[in-house]
Amino acid sequence: QKEVEQNSGPLSVPEGAIASLNCTYSDRGSQSFFWYRQYSGKSPELIMSIYSNGDKEDGRFTAQLNKASQYVSLLIRDSQPSDSATYLCAAQTGANNLFFGTGTRLTVIP
Amino acid sequence: EAGVTQFPSHSVIEKGQTVTLRCDPISGHDNLYWYRRVMGKEIKFLLHFVKESKQDESGMPNNRFLAERTGGTYSTLKVQPAELEDSGVYFCASSQDGGAETQYFGPGTRLLVL
Repeated sequence: QKEVEQNSGPLSVPEGAIASLNCTYSDRGSQSFFWYRQYSGKSPELIMSIYSNGDKEDGRFTAQLNKASQYVSLLIRDSQPSDSATYLCAAQTGANNLFFGTGTRLTVIP
Repeated sequence: EAGVTQFPSHSVIEKGQTVTLRCDPISGHDNLYWYRRVMGKEIKFLLHFVKESKQDESGMPNNRFLAERTGGTYSTLKVQPAELEDSGVYFCASSQDGGAETQYFGPGTRLLVL
């Protein structure tokens, strides 16, 4: 069983819409959760982190965590073409290494 | 401030050959991580250095992989002999305090073993 699972997509949304990206994890000991954005051929870039149940908002991005359901999501409001990228969900347990999902490719259509 | 750099950006080698990947972390970062993404799979942790010491090497796939960080600055990851399944993108990340939130990733080395 994979540690972190994501729908690989691709997910297409029109410009201005809300993009919803989802992720589940298997290790209940996971403490910290992260969303990375990766443009094609570039390095993963951290955009959101969340540690406790509920919502965390940062600009157009909202991360949601539900530890009981082992579910993490990322909402992108007012999606822009520049948001088109692969979004990676990652979980961290006791050690400092990260467990990544395979990523969801998002395309925002102008 | 310069970011994490990796060299080479691409490498194409034949099965059985040796390849050495290099990572230069952000200056002052004691923590250095190696990750690998095989085609179609997720990014997977390989190992973690704190300065020159291996803190965690639980992700290293087998003894064909050797990572070093002499002097606690740059790190090398050598694959000898390379196999077809070693093809993928090898990422390096560094952080100052060891937390995932502060891990900065390099651009990766794309390795193709033929």
